[in-house]
Amino acid sequence: AQSVAQPEDQVNVAEGNPLTVKCTYSVSGNPYLFWYVQYPNRGLQFLLKYITGDNLVKGSYGFEAEFNKSQTSFHLKKPSALVSDSALYFCAVSTMIKAAGNKLTFGGGTRVLVKP
Amino acid sequence: DAGVIQSPRHEVTEMGQEVTLRCKPISGHDYLFWYRQTMMRGLELLIYFNNNVPIDDSGMPEDRFSAKMPNASFSTLKIQPSEPRDSAVYFCASSLAGATKNIQYFGAGTRLSVL
Repeated sequence: AQSVAQPEDQVNVAEGNPLTVKCTYSVSGNPYLFWYVQYPNRGLQFLLKYITGDNLVKGSYGFEAEFNKSQTSFHLKKPSALVSDSALYFCAVSTMIKAAGNKLTFGGGTRVLVKP
Repeated sequence: DAGVIQSPRHEVTEMGQEVTLRCKPISGHDYLFWYRQTMMRGLELLIYFNNNVPIDDSGMPEDRFSAKMPNASFSTLKIQPSEPRDSAVYFCASSLAGATKNIQYFGAGTRLSVL
């Protein structure tokens, strides 16, 4: 079985400061890892993914994430947060195992609040 | 492409009534997913289809819930009879097959309120 943990329900950060949203995962085999963002009254939007290759992945809106296999983590980062980054962030994992299809397992979400 | 289209955006109904939620996936996508989001339980996968065939419905909470995908461009999620605890936001998502293309695209959701 695959699972995702997002240990923080909420992260508060001042505008201009670095933002980190934590994610750890458990999966059989090699993982595919994703970050999604959800703005109020909207569906989830894809931010970035790790499939293979460079452990540092760059995505939309200046976000990046670092895959750490030994720590089974995939933390989302942004060097300088904006008020408009305030949203709900979801980490998700999939696996290369064919039987799992395209199924994603999502974490519980982390609410990010960026204060001016 | 217009993205994943869900209707209605909002649904208010009374307990015991039948509710049907609709989804049009992105053209060419061969996976379709139904999720439910609540404050208490977060985002839950209810069921997903591959090439119109249900693959995993283990997340469907009860027999009151059913989902169909009669063709590649349309799916429905039906609740009959509805109950207040079914109140949630229901999302549909679609994706292409293949691990490297495994990005799910979500619709805007249907907010269901069962009174």
